[in-house]
Amino acid sequence: DADVTQTPRNRITKTGKRIMLECSQTKGHDRMYWYRQDPGLGLRLIYYSFDVKDINKGEISDGYSVSRQAQAKFSLSLESAIPNQTALYFCATNQAGGAYNEQFFGPGTRLTVL
Amino acid sequence: QQQVKQSPQSLIVQKGGISIINCAYENTAFDYFPWYQQFPGKGPALLIAIRPDVSEKKEGRFTISFNKSAKQFSLHIMDSQPGDSATYFCAASQGAQKLVFGQGTRLTINP
Repeated sequence: DADVTQTPRNRITKTGKRIMLECSQTKGHDRMYWYRQDPGLGLRLIYYSFDVKDINKGEISDGYSVSRQAQAKFSLSLESAIPNQTALYFCATNQAGGAYNEQFFGPGTRLTVL
Repeated sequence: QQQVKQSPQSLIVQKGGISIINCAYENTAFDYFPWYQQFPGKGPALLIAIRPDVSEKKEGRFTISFNKSAKQFSLHIMDSQPGDSATYFCAASQGAQKLVFGQGTRLTINP
């Protein structure tokens, strides 16, 4: 769904490097989320933001930070990447008050930390 | 803490068969239970969802069965097709709060 875009789509980096993953949305939604997907562990929430001035930790926030630069942009940073942060990362958005709380996901970023 | 447990982790079904994926939850305050479908190289997308005031919801070949007393819900795919091969995630939330996802099930439909 082109309404939620993520850059880069693939990234290989080395241990100790700082890396930023970016998410943009044109859906006009208030809420944005960052998840990581690992085989057998499902989708785990890293951080979420219910509006531009609101940032909340998810269940696995250690080693990550985020910035909500605007309603449409939410970036995820790994300050010092480590190999166990190798995963598929997804950004998602939804609108407060939506009937079914449906989240719309981006296409994902595959990150490899060597 | 895994609040939503999903099984099986992988499932192989013959074309035309019934695929069944199960989820169990712990938080009795959850009031919204969606299923997401993810194809390779894509992000998850909402497939079907249910609220606990009904025991079943059907959309085409996809049905959610919900058992409030057992704190369980399941996805049934009737007449499974190769195009249904994907990873499926159950999830739950309370009100408009964040979703809690299950571990995912990789479904393969053999032709």
